[in-house]
Amino acid sequence: DTGVSQNPRHKITKRGQNVTFRCDPISEHNRLYWYRQTLGQGPEFLTYFQNEAQLEKSRLLSDRFSAERPKGSFSTLEIQRTEQGDSAMYLCASSPPTGENTEAFFGQGTRLTVV
Amino acid sequence: AQKVTQAQTEISVVEKEDVTLDCVYETRDTTYYLFWYKQPPSGELVFLIRRNSFDEQNEISGRYSWNFQKSTSSFNFTITASQVVDSAVYFCALSDLYKLSFGAGTTVTVRA
Repeated sequence: DTGVSQNPRHKITKRGQNVTFRCDPISEHNRLYWYRQTLGQGPEFLTYFQNEAQLEKSRLLSDRFSAERPKGSFSTLEIQRTEQGDSAMYLCASSPPTGENTEAFFGQGTRLTVV
Repeated sequence: AQKVTQAQTEISVVEKEDVTLDCVYETRDTTYYLFWYKQPPSGELVFLIRRNSFDEQNEISGRYSWNFQKSTSSFNFTITASQVVDSAVYFCALSDLYKLSFGAGTTVTVRA
């Protein structure tokens, strides 16, 4: 399967713990995105990478959140000192390096539950 | 700021009926892109269609068709002859250069 891969699929953590999620984009895609989706809502943009450069961060991404894409391939999203409000589905997407705005391909997401 | 409104929360139909999903958007950009995505129970967002702001031609792709009207800022989507497998949440989305702004989604239930 050559789609976007996210791990883990599910994560349950205690409030105050740190968690890290991984995203492996489609191999030839240089653009990578993280979105957050809460129950009954559409996904909300968190951050965008072009190759290894993080070009935009949403104000939703507080200082407890950090994302990296060290070699322009896979990406990690870390949440420090988790809060119950962080419970959500975290979606990763990638798109190819073309000039036209092409569609983003999404992974199946990581569902985070903070108890 | 970009905003997408999907006024319909849920739609329930019987198999073979047509389903039309409404989408209204707001943007100050002159160049933008509109999308429809489907999210089945498995959770993965599946791309359905894309249209750029300069192309108001409406098309049909299989059982899917769309009606893009810049004058009313609407981008409606129709599933013809619905099937049970079409049951999912459908999201309309708006994009400038790269990031997507999604609506809240419309849950479509197709009953056999």
